[in-house]
Amino acid sequence: GESVGLHLPTLSVQEGDNSIINCAYSNSASDYFIWYKQESGKGPQFIIDIRSNMDKRQGQRVTVLLNKTVKHLSLQIAATQPGDSAVYFCAEKGGTASKLTFGTGTRLQVTL
Amino acid sequence: NAGVTQTPKFRILKIGQSMTLQCTQDMNHNYMYWYRQDPGMGLKLIYYSVGAGITDKGEVPNGYNVSRSTTEDFPLRLELAAPSQTSVYFCASRLQGPEGPEQYFGPGTRLTVT
Repeated sequence: GESVGLHLPTLSVQEGDNSIINCAYSNSASDYFIWYKQESGKGPQFIIDIRSNMDKRQGQRVTVLLNKTVKHLSLQIAATQPGDSAVYFCAEKGGTASKLTFGTGTRLQVTL
Repeated sequence: NAGVTQTPKFRILKIGQSMTLQCTQDMNHNYMYWYRQDPGMGLKLIYYSVGAGITDKGEVPNGYNVSRSTTEDFPLRLELAAPSQTSVYFCASRLQGPEGPEQYFGPGTRLTVT
């Protein structure tokens, strides 16, 4: 996994617009790739995952895209709402005990 | 279900003091994990356990110890607190196996070592 510095990348979007959050991962042998949402003062909350043999998976208002060629993962949030404001982390899952390796976090700010 | 609970929520330690961070889950999950999260960073795995009596090191285990005497509890021990251990600590759990629900996280313990 990768760590970010003290200043998280920030994505600012207007309410109602679509958001796209990107992540680069490191281990091509990971079984699953997962997106977590972390609100201020809380633990990470599972949003959606995608198996390594898939390219796309859709949930409610969210879509995850996986590009294994360039080791890239993205999270698309449709019709972004103020409640979507949080830090979003991607994670790779694999190995013993399905350990997670967290990647770069992105702060999503939703403006009214 | 209460899910994953952690105590305390906040703690301030002096350098050299010791403490135990408590973690309990009531979902009968086999796997449990401890992470630390430094300001503006992702989570890093400290220790994990695949079941009672079995623990193993993660990415950043130095300065910590764990035990897993029951399925429900997975305490994290700091023996000689150092300023570098100032962080937010998260406990997580999940059922074994690659499929199925992902890790559930507790609310975290914010630790400051001065």
